[in-house]
Amino acid sequence: QVQLVQSGAEVKRPGASVKVSCKASGYTFTNYDINWVRQATGQGLEWMGWMNPHSGDTGYAQEFQGRVTMTRDTSKSTAYMELSSLRSEDTAVYYCATLTIPRSVGMDVWGQGTTVSVAS
Amino acid sequence: QSALAQPASVSGSPGQSITLSCTGTSSDIGGHDYVSWYQQHPGKAPKLMIYDVSNRPSGVSNRFSGSKSGNTASLTISGLQAEDEADYYCSSYRSSSTPCVFGTGTKVTVL
Repeated sequence: QVQLVQSGAEVKRPGASVKVSCKASGYTFTNYDINWVRQATGQGLEWMGWMNPHSGDTGYAQEFQGRVTMTRDTSKSTAYMELSSLRSEDTAVYYCATLTIPRSVGMDVWGQGTTVSVAS
Repeated sequence: QSALAQPASVSGSPGQSITLSCTGTSSDIGGHDYVSWYQQHPGKAPKLMIYDVSNRPSGVSNRFSGSKSGNTASLTISGLQAEDEADYYCSSYRSSSTPCVFGTGTKVTVL
């Protein structure tokens, strides 16, 4: 079945960077865009950006411009999200998600989430 | 990215119908037929319930329905069940540079 499996929890110091992976299976990785969404504890969902695994094209939310980089390794069917200059406010669960419904908008397949904790 | 506005909480008794609202602008909800709704139980990843305003993904109960009028989208849950108690988020396409903006979220309580 179609699924996205993310890397494990991370603990980082302020100012450091974190790189979260998202491995796709059950479909052709390059067929569907990957989105990244985060959620701070007790807060709502926040869209961070998207990546086209076929072309490598990316688009980032303004709030993360200059701090986030989304890449992929097509040989591993894996997408990556790296966030730099971490601060305490970046403590959150980070999700990757994709949409397998043609010619539509939304996210129907989600990873299990990766907890990133930023603390000194 | 300014979030779409949702009521903080909505409640209903089992068997009742409830409607959740999601208010945006002519730049997002009002300008595109790309509204999605997500259900999220505590500690779980969100689940897509409605896409493209009113379409249900395979496997989602037909008790869930979506609609849109002007700058406001709505999610109706009919025949409310205990398992429907969760947080619900709307999202909309806004522009090519902001293809996704989420709502503030609504907590649904089944009394």
